[in-house]
Amino acid sequence: QKEVEQNSGPLSVPEGAIASLNCTYSDRVSQSFFWYRQYSGKSPELIMSIYSNGDKEDGRFTAQLNKASQYVSLLIRDSQPSDSATYLCAVRFGNDMRFGAGTRLTVKP
Amino acid sequence: KAGVTQTPRYLIKTRGQQVTLSCSPISGHRSVSWYQQTPGQGLQFLFEYFSETQRNKGNFPGRFSGRQFSNSRSEMNVSTLELGDSALYLCASNPPGGSTEAFFGQGTRLTVV
Repeated sequence: QKEVEQNSGPLSVPEGAIASLNCTYSDRVSQSFFWYRQYSGKSPELIMSIYSNGDKEDGRFTAQLNKASQYVSLLIRDSQPSDSATYLCAVRFGNDMRFGAGTRLTVKP
Repeated sequence: KAGVTQTPRYLIKTRGQQVTLSCSPISGHRSVSWYQQTPGQGLQFLFEYFSETQRNKGNFPGRFSGRQFSNSRSEMNVSTLELGDSALYLCASNPPGGSTEAFFGQGTRLTVV
């Protein structure tokens, strides 16, 4: 079992819709959780971090964490074509940060 | 504040050769992690260095090695290159504190022919 798993997608949503991205992680001591966005040919950039159970909102982005279920998600409201990218879920296990394989999101105008 | 600098940006090598990639982390960051990214595989963890010591290592063969210098700059080396080593190699600079996000360099695109 991989340490961090994501639905590989691809995920396609129309402009203005909500995109929902999901991630599960293995049962290790997990301290912190992140969502990175990666445009084609570019390096990953951080868009959200979450450290405790519940929801965290930042603009159009909401991260949700449920440690009991070992589940973290990212919701993108009012999706824009510029949101089209690969979204990487990352979990920091102590000194290690491990990533999921990423979900490719396409937002169609 | 300077970001994470990786050199070179692009590299083409022949099978059997070796290659060395360099990463300079953000000033004040003593931890550097290396990842390999191939299509469909996400970021695969190679190793992490802190204060010139390798703290963690991923599941890669011994052909992949690294080191870190006293100024926190890190290098990774791949010997006896194989076609499957073609990938984007990313370096991440990790702030002190242990629970924080990683900051990535632009990566080195390695092509093995």
